[in-house]
Amino acid sequence: SQQGEEDPQALSIQEGENATMNCSYKTSINNLQWYRQNSGRGLVHLILIRSNEREKHSGRLRVTLDTSKKSSSLLITASRAADTASYFCATFTMAAGNKLTFGGGTRVLVKP
Amino acid sequence: KAGVTQTPRYLIKTRGQQVTLSCSPISGHRSVSWYQQTPGQGLQFLFEYFSETQRNKGNFPGRFSGRQFSNSRSEMNVSTLELGDSALYLCASREMGGQGAAEAFFGQGTRLTVV
Repeated sequence: SQQGEEDPQALSIQEGENATMNCSYKTSINNLQWYRQNSGRGLVHLILIRSNEREKHSGRLRVTLDTSKKSSSLLITASRAADTASYFCATFTMAAGNKLTFGGGTRVLVKP
Repeated sequence: KAGVTQTPRYLIKTRGQQVTLSCSPISGHRSVSWYQQTPGQGLQFLFEYFSETQRNKGNFPGRFSGRQFSNSRSEMNVSTLELGDSALYLCASREMGGQGAAEAFFGQGTRLTVV
């Protein structure tokens, strides 16, 4: 079963615009991670935010975490055509064993 | 460091056959996890190996099995293949750090097609 649910399922924006996607989850977590996947390829780790953190930045990426609402958001600023990919959130809960539980992903299309 | 290497990249098998997929983790990483990705079910956790021991297993039938060798390389095996086993199989390696999971590094996956 999937721990995270992502919203929206798909997003289409113009180059230069910002892209925001959200992830909601059901149980307590130790950390939440975001990954990118280009079509049919492996996942690339983007950013990890721990349960005691509220916001984290990495380059053009900004991630927030609200544990009271069990939700996270990923913001990509000044998007580029190369950002076209699927983005997945994944939760890690020690009590659930050493596995990442992925959401369904958001497909992002950045039009040049 | 070399990344996670999965072989083969593509595979076509017939129903009823068995298949073995291989994963070489990043040097020094002792944890290897396997995931199945399909359009309908998304990314599903199969199992995780650490120091040659299976530590966690997802909700898959016994036809799916795996193992890890002393050099941390891992294989997964699917017996009696079914059409529904067609998927992208992803392997991820992690360097076990302190509390919580370190980031996972994924291979490019093996695309299995069962006909």
